[in-house]
Amino acid sequence: EDQVTQSPEALRLQEGESSSLNCSYTVSGLRGLFWYRQDPGKGPEFLFTLYSAGEEKEKERLKATLTKKESFLHITAPKPEDSATYLCAVQPLEFSGGYNKLIFGAGTRLAVHP
Amino acid sequence: EPEVTQTPSHQVTQMGQEVILRCVPISNHLYFYWYRQILGQKVEFLVSFYNNEISEKSEIFDDQFSVERPDGSNFTLKIRSTKLEDSAMYFCASSDRGSGELFFGEGSRLTVL
Repeated sequence: EDQVTQSPEALRLQEGESSSLNCSYTVSGLRGLFWYRQDPGKGPEFLFTLYSAGEEKEKERLKATLTKKESFLHITAPKPEDSATYLCAVQPLEFSGGYNKLIFGAGTRLAVHP
Repeated sequence: EPEVTQTPSHQVTQMGQEVILRCVPISNHLYFYWYRQILGQKVEFLVSFYNNEISEKSEIFDDQFSVERPDGSNFTLKIRSTKLEDSAMYFCASSDRGSGELFFGEGSRLTVL
């Protein structure tokens, strides 16, 4: 069964304290791995797409990396405005032709304090 | 910046009633989706829609659910006879290609009493 597990569930950081969020996945075939940010009461906001092991993407203080079994979201010198839930999702490669769905993890709730 | 808009933002209904949730996807997008998130749980895929038909649906999307694109701009999710367990935040999303780069709306919170 396709599955996405994120850790930790919650993370509290001081402003400027760098850290990493983990996303491990099991899927029969991976079409892509995606990171989203979700603020309370809002819809997920797309951040990154990763397609193959070794790939890296960066945006401001965030960098996403991918291996064959997991992805990391590195947050460098975070600010309070980075506080949100970060969601990881995989898009399975299914031979049935269904390639649209995303399977989400439960997310990591990040709180950055001044 | 283009955005996906959803109405209503919150709907309260009685069990057994029909509910229609409405979405206006980004205008040049071709792929449309409904996801839901029960409070405190994961975002779950419900259905994808392309070229005026369902391209994929999950086990959750049973005969009580239907989707429609009644005109060139709206995309709707209908729940025929709501159950308590249908209480959730329902997100509409769209994309310009069949990838996982989705643009989500702010959601419609459905409360079934």
